Amino acid sequence: GENVEQHPSTLSVQEGDSAVIKCTYSDSASNYFPWYKQELGKGPQLIIDIRSNVGEKKDQRIAVTLNKTAKHFSLHITETQPEDSAVYFCADVRWHAGNMLTFGGGTRLMVKP
Amino acid sequence: GAGVSQSPRYKVAKRGQDVALRCDPISGHVSLFWYQQALGQGPEFLTYFQNEAQLDKSGLPSDRFFAERPEGSVSTLKIQRTQQEDSAVYLCASSLGTTPHTGELFFGEGSRLTVL
Repeated sequence: GENVEQHPSTLSVQEGDSAVIKCTYSDSASNYFPWYKQELGKGPQLIIDIRSNVGEKKDQRIAVTLNKTAKHFSLHITETQPEDSAVYFCADVRWHAGNMLTFGGGTRLMVKP
Repeated sequence: GAGVSQSPRYKVAKRGQDVALRCDPISGHVSLFWYQQALGQGPEFLTYFQNEAQLDKSGLPSDRFFAERPEGSVSTLKIQRTQQEDSAVYLCASSLGTTPHTGELFFGEGSRLTVL
């Protein structure tokens, strides 16, 4: 079952606006948090990740923030473009519990031109 | 090829048939994973190989599911006596490192299985 909860399940924004997707996790042993983007008919592709010793990481228009105390992390996309439309998945990894990626349920982002 | 290759891309099976799904990981990648993705949901872990060794199969839903990677490269996921609930996209992923998830996971495009 899911140990990572992701919200919202769908998100519609106007081109140029910002989009924020939030995930919460339950296991305090989690220490690696990647975000994947999945376009229709394709496999997920890593877009950014963060490790538990860092609070924020940025790569051009995308950024991820991590709050270990509250056990949540968020993906921020600024200046959204139509090509950002896709399904986004957060995930966590617990190094001492099989080291497997556990994915959230996904967020379908639609960027309207 | 440059990426993870999966075949077939689409498979339609009658309930009770056996199916085999193939994954060609990126050359030199030690770790290989199989995930199952139901419609509208996130991928769920099935099994993990490090080279030819299957180190974790805790996600396989039943004994009808079997995976192998005999030479440490190509992997096959076999589903026996398919049921309708097996309908999903089966994703294969590989990574360079020997420790899972110390590096990027590269996914194939998946094999979509429909069981009638």
